[in-house]
Amino acid sequence: DVKVTQSSRYLVKRTGEKVFLECVQDMDHENMFWYRQDPGLGLRLIYFSYDVKMKEKGDIPEGYSVSREKKERFSLILESASTNQTSMYLCASSGSSSYNSPLHFGNGTRLTVT
Amino acid sequence: AQSVAQPEDQVNVAEGNPLTVKCTYSVSGNPYLFWYVQYPNRGLQFLLKYITGDNLVKGSYGFEAEFNKSQTSFHLKKPSALVSDSALYFCAVRDPRLTFGGGTRVLVKP
Repeated sequence: DVKVTQSSRYLVKRTGEKVFLECVQDMDHENMFWYRQDPGLGLRLIYFSYDVKMKEKGDIPEGYSVSREKKERFSLILESASTNQTSMYLCASSGSSSYNSPLHFGNGTRLTVT
Repeated sequence: AQSVAQPEDQVNVAEGNPLTVKCTYSVSGNPYLFWYVQYPNRGLQFLLKYITGDNLVKGSYGFEAEFNKSQTSFHLKKPSALVSDSALYFCAVRDPRLTFGGGTRVLVKP
């Protein structure tokens, strides 16, 4: 069974801090994704990666960056956290670039920026 | 650009009654449609998908979905709802990125 692990369930950070959200998958998947989830807005794609050291912007990349140095790990970085980045962050992976391949999600990290 | 709409923020249903969660989509090409479920404090779990073929798709936990091309809809259904089906449900379309609807909260009352 695919396992996507997000290192923290809850995080509280101060405005202006640099924040790292970590995600690891154990199924050798090529594709990894970062979404944020806000009530009424569904999930919005921040960044995704199709291979090691490759990244592409999603729909809302402003204020975020990512790192993928190893295939199994995909990190989301908030360069200078702001209160409007308070949200639930979900990491996902998929093993194929084909359109019919479902995503496997981690349990999420709830980030609060004060 | 593709889009997905879930017109109901919440659906209430009594246990044992049929459950329907509505979804409409807009894509430029052939739709690749998905349903996911999210239980409290958990990530999303894949329920089912429509790629091509039969318009009625069967998935996990007794759920099914009906694809209707003329109405651009992909409604999720369950013939007899359980209290444990109470959760947040998301419809999504992949073209090629996965775009999600806003979610529908389902509350099944005993």
